[in-house]
Amino acid sequence: DGGITQSPKYLFRKEGQNVTLSCEQNLNHDAMYWYRQDPGQGLRLIYYSQIVNDFQKGDIAEGYSVSREKKESFPLTVTSAQKNPTAFYLCASKRQGGDTQYFGPGTRLTVL
Amino acid sequence: RKEVEQDPGPFNVPEGATVAFNCTYSNSASQSFFWYRQDCRKEPKLLMSVYSSGNEDGRFTAQLNRASQYISLLIRDSKLSDSATYLCVETSYDKVIFGPGTSLSVIP
Repeated sequence: DGGITQSPKYLFRKEGQNVTLSCEQNLNHDAMYWYRQDPGQGLRLIYYSQIVNDFQKGDIAEGYSVSREKKESFPLTVTSAQKNPTAFYLCASKRQGGDTQYFGPGTRLTVL
Repeated sequence: RKEVEQDPGPFNVPEGATVAFNCTYSNSASQSFFWYRQDCRKEPKLLMSVYSSGNEDGRFTAQLNRASQYISLLIRDSKLSDSATYLCVETSYDKVIFGPGTSLSVIP
């Protein structure tokens, strides 16, 4: 089945540690996105990538980093510089020129 | 002014009721509009696209008013399973903007 996968579903980390969230898609989509959602809030864009080896900062990129070495993969690293990392992280993808984003199931990160 | 605004609700309606949500946007150059549905602790899923001519999918009707810069979603004959948060989305070129969502609870 084609789709977007994110792993793990739940992630716990100690304060001060970096952690990487996985996002993989087999939809052959060019564009991929990372969003953060806090309880009762909308989605906020962290980073996005339109093409392999290229990515741009979104509205809240501070404390996060990404890479796009393969079309299928867009991992997000939450660094220790992110002051309030506990949130629900959603990855999405979209074909180039298309309108509709498709989302992965999300990773719920909790910092202890 | 926020780029996309929605009444957060919650809207609490009885089963069988008709409920309507509005969403306003600030970018007159926005190209496409969508409604997404998000269940609690799940990812958003596309509900329907929104066209100027309006479009209907079963109990759901979406409408776009470019002159007034708002879109609407009408749900007829509400079901318990319609309880969710409804997100308004607008896109321009490759920029995608989500609204904060409107919470709907359908009660028996």
